[in-house]
Order: sequence, then C-alpha cells, then structure tokens
Amino acid sequence: GAVVSQHPSWVICKSGTSVKIECRSLDFQATTMFWYRQFPKQSLMLMATSNEGSKATYEQGVEKDKFLINHASLTLSTLTVTSAHPEDSSFYICSATAQGKYTGELFFGEGSRLTVL
Amino acid sequence: AQTVTQSQPEMSVQEAETVTLSCTYDTSESNYYLFWYKQPPSRQMILVIRQEAYKQQNATENRFSVNFQKAAKSFSLKISDSQLGDTAMYFCVLRNFNKFYFGSGTKLNVKP
Repeated sequence: GAVVSQHPSWVICKSGTSVKIECRSLDFQATTMFWYRQFPKQSLMLMATSNEGSKATYEQGVEKDKFLINHASLTLSTLTVTSAHPEDSSFYICSATAQGKYTGELFFGEGSRLTVL
Repeated sequence: AQTVTQSQPEMSVQEAETVTLSCTYDTSESNYYLFWYKQPPSRQMILVIRQEAYKQQNATENRFSVNFQKAAKSFSLKISDSQLGDTAMYFCVLRNFNKFYFGSGTKLNVKP
C-alpha cells in the first residue's frame, strides 16, 4: 500500500509557542489530505480537508487561525498549531487519498502526539 | 446525513476463537466504500478490509471477513482464529465521494 509519513511523532512545547507537523506521501501523489484529532479512547475527529494548491476546508468548530493547514504540493501537507495552549495537547493524525491503482481507502500517517506545557 | 454506528464499545475473545464486530451505517447514496481499520496500541491506523457497495460478494482477507448486508446497511467484521496481535481498536468507516465517516470504535481484547 501507499506510505504516509508524519513527523514529528511526538513533540513537547511551551504554552504560547507554535508547532508544525508535517505529513508526506512517500510513494504516491496525495490528491486530498485530511487532518484528524484524536482524544484518548475516542474516535478520530476530522479537523480539516486540504487539496493541493487550494485553501483547506475546516470543520465546524475548528479555529482556522489556530490550526493552519498548508497543502503546497501533492506530497506534502503541514499543520501548524499556533500559540499552543495545554488544551491543544492531543494526538494528531494525517491521512491521504490517492488516485490510480488504490481503491478508495485512506492512508494514514503514524500520528503526532503534542504536549503543551 | 451519513452516520456510522458501532454499538459494542469493548469486546473480549479468547485466542484462537472467532469474534464478530458490528457496524451499521446510514447513507442515501447507492455507491460507496466501507472499510474496517484497526488501531493497535502503537496508534498507527491499519486497513483491515474494504468493501465496495456495488459488489455483492463479501470481502475476505485471510482471517478477516465481512458480512455486508446492503439493504440492512450492516457491515460486520468477523475475525477467525483470533491472535494476540489482533488486540486493537477497530473502526468502521464509510466513504461517500471524498468524505469519510468514522464509527466510535470497538476495543477488542484478545486473551491468551
């Protein structure tokens, strides 16, 4: 299957600082990338959908100015948590869909655990 | 509105036995995809099995098989010969066009 790499896998930052998480499709072109947030023992909550070269579409209740998503190329999307606060601590997962031989599924990154002190 | 319901928050099974995880969904579309993903303690999401709605035949992948009942909008996952490595959270996922809808998950514990 296709490989999605997410980095960093874990990050600790101080309150008020910004953190960037990268999501790369290694062996395919990601037409669409999705960013999820997952709280402990819960399902994935969609934050935003991004298509290469266009602005991300955010889900209701997700602050666009706090969670900046950039999808500059067909293989890279980034999530920047700006002015992070302890309540932003969570597990963030990126995923992507691919064209061609793949049949409809989502390919997931390994996830990034963010801890804001 | 599309919804996916997993009514079993947690299940346990003895190693080597068979277990079935339930999933029901709602959609007004006639063509869509259904998936089961597992999320082990590492938290990496792994595709277990996929089903395309237009295919009547139930999908199988080694020890994993589904019972896809389109009219009833049911998509259950059967795991045969359960192994310790099957311990994970399992999510039922519906895809309509380019949107994915996740169930709340079922935590499966495989006991030795």
